[in-house]
Amino acid sequence: SAVISQKPSRDICQRGTSLTIQCQVDSQVTMMFWYRQQPGQSLTLIATANQGSEATYESGFVIDKFPISRPNLTFSTLTVSNMSPEDSSIYLCSVWTGDGREQFFGPGTRLTVL
Amino acid sequence: AQRVTQPEKLLSVFKGAPVELKCNYSYSGSPELFWYVQYSRQRLQLLLRHISRESIKGFTADLNKGETSFHLKKPFAQEEDSAMYYCALTTAGGTSYGKLTFGQGTILTVHP
Repeated sequence: SAVISQKPSRDICQRGTSLTIQCQVDSQVTMMFWYRQQPGQSLTLIATANQGSEATYESGFVIDKFPISRPNLTFSTLTVSNMSPEDSSIYLCSVWTGDGREQFFGPGTRLTVL
Repeated sequence: AQRVTQPEKLLSVFKGAPVELKCNYSYSGSPELFWYVQYSRQRLQLLLRHISRESIKGFTADLNKGETSFHLKKPFAQEEDSAMYYCALTTAGGTSYGKLTFGQGTILTVHP
């Protein structure tokens, strides 16, 4: 199993600013993911954070808007840049344990952009 | 591209009644299907996965490749089953293994 924490748990930001979300895992994992859950919507994958290489982004998401860092096997950050109200969402970090074939999720970061 | 459909956004049943949450998928390859649950004020967690063929908290789900379905069933619903349920899919192997595609979710309410 894996226990994941995220910081901050929530934030209210002004448009045009940026917010960096941190994700910490209690064990070393290869595959980490960032998801977004817009109000009333399901979860959508933003990108896969790979240690030692560039993140890979899903269609509709770009590095300039959502830069990701993955400095080691237990930590990742997602930055939401130049925010607009449309970025108001819950952002979730998750890890996939390939041996257990299970994905564990963090508690999420609730972002509100005014 | 894969797609997961949960046709019911809301589902209400009475305690002790059977419940079935529907999930259909489209994917040309070999999928792995999951049900995730989110109880009030808790994080998303795995309920069950088709490869394990297990029963968790009385819930079961069978993968029907002919109908491309993975419906979640429980014969006797309990009030503590009230939660948001998500059906999710990942590809079985390959570079996309582990990336989950989620359905829209079904809010299950079990009335006393």
